[in-house]
Amino acid sequence: EPEVTQTPSHQVTQMGQEVILRCVPISNHLYFYWYRQILGQKVEFLVSFYNNEISEKSEIFDDQFSVERPDGSNFTLKIRSTKLEDSAMYFCASSIRQAGEQYFGPGTRLTVT
Amino acid sequence: GESVGLHLPTLSVQEGDNSIINCAYSNSASDYFIWYKQESGKGPQFIIDIRSNMDKRQGQRVTVLLNKTVKHLSLQIAATQPGDSAVYFCAAQRNSWGKLQFGAGTQVVVTP
Repeated sequence: EPEVTQTPSHQVTQMGQEVILRCVPISNHLYFYWYRQILGQKVEFLVSFYNNEISEKSEIFDDQFSVERPDGSNFTLKIRSTKLEDSAMYFCASSIRQAGEQYFGPGTRLTVT
Repeated sequence: GESVGLHLPTLSVQEGDNSIINCAYSNSASDYFIWYKQESGKGPQFIIDIRSNMDKRQGQRVTVLLNKTVKHLSLQIAATQPGDSAVYFCAAQRNSWGKLQFGAGTQVVVTP
């Protein structure tokens, strides 16, 4: 069964450093998302991406964040200058349609020290 | 804005019993709802979904009920098994548009 994959599974970085989180969505999906989950809290939407551009972003997704689909398979989330409060699980998701079910990857645990 | 919440943070259920997890939403424009299961250290896993033109949908051992009048949905798990132990999230989508708004999660603990 096709699945969303994410790398790395765990990333430790120092405050102020740049990180890139990588995702490979399901191959025939067209809509891509990043969500995050701070430990013990609910999953929060960050950004959605379609047709090589951002279709919606939350207030969390400020100028420190960017997304890219550099080729036909990868979807990346970059945090330019990490802060302690960026520590969270970051989930990539994809869907074949705008409306309906989204498939989530296993997540990347980002720890900012 | 949208608020999606769950009524109980933890539900303890005996193996073999039925589980009911509740969720409330605030935005009447929400027209699609999903239940996800999240096991420790893993991403949310789709369980079942329902659109606002329905009030009930059944899957394998799971049923989702939607009451649009009171903006409430529930997930029923029949004959709960140890493998059902996880955190369960409801999520809502508004106007059939992309982002999912998640609730806070209910931890289901299955006891033998």
